Amino acid sequence: DAMVIQNPRYQVTQFGKPVTLSCSQTLNHNVMYWYQQKSSQAPKLLFHYYDKDFNNEADTPDNFQSRRPNTSFCFLDIRSPGLGDAAMYLCATSRVRGGATEQYFGPGTRLTVT
Amino acid sequence: TQLLEQSPQFLSIQEGENLTVYCNSSSVFSSLQWYRQEPGEGPVLLVTVVTGGEVKKLKRLTFQFGDARKDSSLHITAAQPGDTGLYLCAGGVYNQGGKLIFGQGTELSVKP
Repeated sequence: DAMVIQNPRYQVTQFGKPVTLSCSQTLNHNVMYWYQQKSSQAPKLLFHYYDKDFNNEADTPDNFQSRRPNTSFCFLDIRSPGLGDAAMYLCATSRVRGGATEQYFGPGTRLTVT
Repeated sequence: TQLLEQSPQFLSIQEGENLTVYCNSSSVFSSLQWYRQEPGEGPVLLVTVVTGGEVKKLKRLTFQFGDARKDSSLHITAAQPGDTGLYLCAGGVYNQGGKLIFGQGTELSVKP
């Protein structure tokens, strides 16, 4: 089945220690998104790639970076995690076309910062 | 800035009751999606509506897109404990590369 895969599902890192979260997709969608979600809140968009074009949200901290080496993979790098960065990180994909904008989410990575 | 106001934020009901969740905005959206999210998982797409006035049904769930494409509602008939979760509405933004504007979410708890 076509899907969005996130690894790992759970990640524990230390305060200030760089961490990378990964996302892969078999949907062949041209857009990939990274969201941060804190408990029972709506997902907050960090950035997205439209093909190779990187689009950063204005309020995304510089501490968060992303790479998309090819259509299938996208990475979220947190350079110096703080306690406030503990959250669920969601990857999503979509095929942008006229009309509907459907995003398909992965299962998420729960990040704990100790 | 486009906003989607979702209400209520929390809803606790008994099995068998009906409920409606609302999403309202002053902005026009190209489409409106509804997602359901269970604890520890990613949101799962339930439905997409794109035409003003459109109504879609998914078993006991009825989704409606307002005529002006600024608001939407989700109605659940005879709620079951399996309906428990976080419901999110999300509006598609024109010419923004597939970007969605999310409502704040409705935390639904259905008690047996």
